[in-house]
Amino acid sequence: AQKITQTQPGMFVQEKEAVTLDCTYDTSDPSYGLFWYKQPSSGEMIFLIYQGSYDQQNATEGRYSLNFQKARKSANLVISASQLGDSAMYFCAMREGVNRDDKIIFGKGTRLHILP
Amino acid sequence: DTGVSQDPRHKITKRGQNVTFRCDPISEHNRLYWYRQTLGQGPEFLTYFQNEAQLEKSRLLSDRFSAERPKGSFSTLEIQRTEQGDSAMYLCASSRWGTGVPYEQYFGPGTRLTVT
Repeated sequence: AQKITQTQPGMFVQEKEAVTLDCTYDTSDPSYGLFWYKQPSSGEMIFLIYQGSYDQQNATEGRYSLNFQKARKSANLVISASQLGDSAMYFCAMREGVNRDDKIIFGKGTRLHILP
Repeated sequence: DTGVSQDPRHKITKRGQNVTFRCDPISEHNRLYWYRQTLGQGPEFLTYFQNEAQLEKSRLLSDRFSAERPKGSFSTLEIQRTEQGDSAMYLCASSRWGTGVPYEQYFGPGTRLTVT
């Protein structure tokens, strides 16, 4: 079974609109961390946001917020007021065991296209 | 403040040749990771080091792959007798591991390997 599932291979969104990228995860470990990374065409993975499994509030970083629904094992990324520069691949990822900086398991990604 | 750097950025080699990639992490980071990313997929974990110790290796890392981090600073990833299936982007990441510090891994720009 896949640990990280991103069901949207591609999305097209009008500039300045908000966008939600879906992510569900599967783990039996009570302690885990969830990440979102952005990968532009240049190839570099850029860290966006982190949510720990015990965090009570949803993580936010500027225009990025993580809609964490623990019971549903869902960790959707919300980008408010999208910009042309947001066009990229977005990966949801998980690390199991929040106090162990262990390997990160990535989903297959969603390619986001922002339309002018 | 320099980020993670990787050299070379691109490598084209013939099947059967050996190749070596280098990764220089962020200077104060004690953990270093190698990932492989094939077209249309998210990165897959290969191995990671804490200082000079190699703590975990993925089953993806066949006997033809070897990684070192001899002085706990830069790391090398060598692939012997390359095969066409080794064609991929090889990503390096680093992080500072310890209690109470952020958990994100910072990625380098990657080395794109093409085996002909």
